Amino acid sequence: EAGVAQSPRYKIIEKRQSVAFWCNPISGHATLYWYQQILGQGPKLLIQFQNNGVVDDSQLPKDRFSAERLKGVDSTLKIQPAKLEDSAVYLCASSLNSNQPQHFGDGTRLSIL
Amino acid sequence: DAKTTQPTSMDCAEGRAANLPCNHSTISGNEYVYWYRQIHSQGPQYIIHGLKNNETNEMASLIITEDRKSSTLILPHATLRDTAVYYCIVRVSGSARQLTFGSGTQLTVLP
Repeated sequence: EAGVAQSPRYKIIEKRQSVAFWCNPISGHATLYWYQQILGQGPKLLIQFQNNGVVDDSQLPKDRFSAERLKGVDSTLKIQPAKLEDSAVYLCASSLNSNQPQHFGDGTRLSIL
Repeated sequence: DAKTTQPTSMDCAEGRAANLPCNHSTISGNEYVYWYRQIHSQGPQYIIHGLKNNETNEMASLIITEDRKSSTLILPHATLRDTAVYYCIVRVSGSARQLTFGSGTQLTVLP
């Protein structure tokens, strides 16, 4: 089966600019997650969707980050405006449901200048 | 979710078994032990999980002590491609809560 697809693979922007990441989960997976991974650390959850509804966004910096999964399939994560500390890899994961193991994409590496 | 403790790094000779330990002394009765690994420049990859019985799949074996306060992930015949950061995570299965990743163990398989 095809894995979790993410794009772009790399992105370089200047601080205060906006950026968007796209994720297409494994077909049929109802649960979708966005994680942020800062260099040298483990991934940290930003937001979790169940179909098109948000389950947990408690760690999402809502003043600058937003995410949507309008049709319950693919998802976008946006940062506006970006700060230097947002430099990280943004990982998307999906699972059949919250009871099943998560499958991760290879992420988008964001660099803020 | 219970906290886990893992060594920062380990080396293993190619072809030998790699044994990665994890301490989770505060684990609750309904919490599972999950293992993921992350190869450089890739996303984390699910390896195996278990509650109290030992588990084995095509990738690895998971040995959980009887008191469930620690576990060991075993890669029976390590290859260079097994070089990665290995994460031990404790989580209630079926919970809507996310995986909480620590810093993991950097396993380096040496030729």
